Amino acid sequence: GESVGLHLPTLSVQEGDNSIINCAYSNSASDYFIWYKQESGKGPQFIIDIRSNMDKRQGQRVTVLLNKTVKHLSLQIAATQPGDSAVYFCAENEVTDSWGKFQFGAGTQVVVTP
Amino acid sequence: EAQVTQNPRYLITVTGKKLTVTCSQNMNHEYMSWYRQDPGLGLRQIYYSMNVEVTDKGDVPEGYKVSRKEKRNFPLILESPSPNQTSLYFCASSFVGGTEAFFGQGTRLTVV
Repeated sequence: GESVGLHLPTLSVQEGDNSIINCAYSNSASDYFIWYKQESGKGPQFIIDIRSNMDKRQGQRVTVLLNKTVKHLSLQIAATQPGDSAVYFCAENEVTDSWGKFQFGAGTQVVVTP
Repeated sequence: EAQVTQNPRYLITVTGKKLTVTCSQNMNHEYMSWYRQDPGLGLRQIYYSMNVEVTDKGDVPEGYKVSRKEKRNFPLILESPSPNQTSLYFCASSFVGGTEAFFGQGTRLTVV
């Protein structure tokens, strides 16, 4: 079946640098994509989403880029802070066919070093 | 405070002994969903519900049951748990069509 995957399982970033987390997807019919952050011992927390008719969306210190040509999604975190250390997941949903059914990637562990 | 509450947080049980993990949300969300999280596999959807009395299978529904008799509650039932159901379980809720799902704190289940 369709899957959502991540390029790197672990990303080490120096405090203050920018982080880029990548995600590849294979379902060309996906309507929107979501990024979640999961801190140790907690449930995932919504960060930002992007619809398939957009190629960029910005939030507070985060930017999501969508490249539908190569089916690639990325999350950029500006000026990474220790509190950004977590596992980051991308998820996708195909609204027209099965809203409510979500596919998650395996996750990327981001480690922020001083 | 808006939240999704799961109980119990930790559970160790024996193979074949029926158990229920409860999930409750106080945000009046129509949509609720259960996931299991295993190392290297991310979150996999078990079941979801679009509203009261409406439930659908996710990607890994085998061995699980759910019910949605009330809008706020969405219990996950394991009629005959097996060791391969040892996992970390999350319940989530949102408005239908919404992208921001709220997750519970998780339930760590061990089946021996």
